[in-house]
Amino acid sequence: DTGVSQNPRHKITKRGQNVTFRCDPISEHNRLYWYRQTLGQGPEFLTYFQNEAQLEKSRLLSDRFSAERPKGSFSTLEIQRTEQGDSAMYLCASSSPTGGATYEQYFGPGTRLTVT
Amino acid sequence: AQSVSQHNHHVILSEAASLELGCNYSYGGTVNLFWYVQYPGQHLQLLLKYFSGDPLVKGIKGFEAEFIKSKFSFNLRKPSVQWSDTAEYFCVVVNTGGFKTIFGAGTRLFVKA
Repeated sequence: DTGVSQNPRHKITKRGQNVTFRCDPISEHNRLYWYRQTLGQGPEFLTYFQNEAQLEKSRLLSDRFSAERPKGSFSTLEIQRTEQGDSAMYLCASSSPTGGATYEQYFGPGTRLTVT
Repeated sequence: AQSVSQHNHHVILSEAASLELGCNYSYGGTVNLFWYVQYPGQHLQLLLKYFSGDPLVKGIKGFEAEFIKSKFSFNLRKPSVQWSDTAEYFCVVVNTGGFKTIFGAGTRLFVKA
């Protein structure tokens, strides 16, 4: 399967613990996005990478959240000192501006985080 | 504020009925417009997209959407739905730089067989 993969698929953690999620984009894609989706809502943009550079961050991304894409390939999203409000589905997507630069994003299956 | 508004959160139709899902956006600039679909248990996937040219765009599985610039709208249509169209549909706006993406809240469509 050459699509976007995310690990783990599910994570249950206790409040106050740190968690890290990984996203492996489609190999030739240089753009990578992280989103958070809560029940009944559409995905909310968190951050965007072009290659290894983090070019855009939502104000939703508090200082407890950090994302990296060290070599411009896979990315990690870390949440420190988790809170119950962090419980959500975390989605990763990748894209590559080819042809008409239509920015179609390819999504992974998501990591569902439950904070108890 | 930049936003995407989807008119209906839940829609129930019988097979062969026509579908129209409304989407309006608020964004101060040129945008690329998308509809994504999420079938039960599956990833989000692209249904169709508009970035320039003919404002009536066709996507997969018989779906189409019309961009009306004056109304800031990008409504999704299908003349005759099937049970397999049961899914959640998201209207999405992406800025021309491709780095800022705004999703609508989604519309859950249930098609009765």
